[in-house]
Amino acid sequence: AIQMTQSPSSLSASVGDRVTITCRASQGIRNDLGWYQQKPGKAPQLLIYAASNLQSGVPSRFSGSGSDTDFTLTISSLQPEDFATYYCLQDYTYPWTFGQGTKVEIK
Amino acid sequence: EVQLVESGGGLVQPGGSLRLSCAASGFSFVSYAMHWVRQAPGKGLEYVSAISPYGDSSSYIDSVKGRFTISRDNSKNTLYLQMGSLRAEDMAVYYCARDGYGGDIDGYDIWGQGTMVTVSS
Repeated sequence: AIQMTQSPSSLSASVGDRVTITCRASQGIRNDLGWYQQKPGKAPQLLIYAASNLQSGVPSRFSGSGSDTDFTLTISSLQPEDFATYYCLQDYTYPWTFGQGTKVEIK
Repeated sequence: EVQLVESGGGLVQPGGSLRLSCAASGFSFVSYAMHWVRQAPGKGLEYVSAISPYGDSSSYIDSVKGRFTISRDNSKNTLYLQMGSLRAEDMAVYYCARDGYGGDIDGYDIWGQGTMVTVSS
C-alpha cells in the first residue's frame, strides 16, 4: 500500500497566520490527492481534490499544490473556524490511504 | 438534499458479527462507487472497503479481508458492510462515503455522520 507521510503532526498558530501542511507519498500518485478537514465529533469534509481544485463552498483561503509525491495544503490567513485536524488522502490506487493527520491548534 | 445516513452500529463481543447500513438520498446512487472509512477512538482515518457502482467489484484493506463483506442494493439506495469475527482493533466510528468520481470530483465528496462499533466483552 502507498504510505502517506504528513507533517507536522500538530501545530500552534494564531488567527491571521499563514499555515502550511505537507504530505509525501511513498510513490508517485500523479495529482490524485485530496485534503480533508475534520472537527471533533464530526465527519471529515473535502477541501481540495485532485491536488489543487477547491471543493465547492470551501473558502478561497484554502489552496493545494503539488504532484507526483509531494503535496501542500496552505491556509493563507487562519480563521477561528479553521482550528481542526487536516488529513491528506491518496485516491490514486486501492487501498486508498490517509496521512496521519495534522492538528491545528490555537496559539 | 444529498445525504448519507449510517445505522447498525453498537456493542458486540469479540468474535461477533454486525451489519452496518448506509442509506443514500438526494443523488443517483447507482452512478457512484461507495466506500467505508473508519476512525478508531482518538486515531486517524482509515479506508476499509469500496464497491463499484453496480457492485461487480470490491476492495478491502488486508486487515479485514475474509471477515468483512461490502455490498449494495441499488434498488434501495443502500450500502452495507457485513462485519464478522470482530476484534478489539475493529472498534471505531464507521463512516460511509461517496466516491465523487461519478460526478467528476476525486475523493470523498459526501460523508455520513458515522456509526460507532464497540467491540468488548
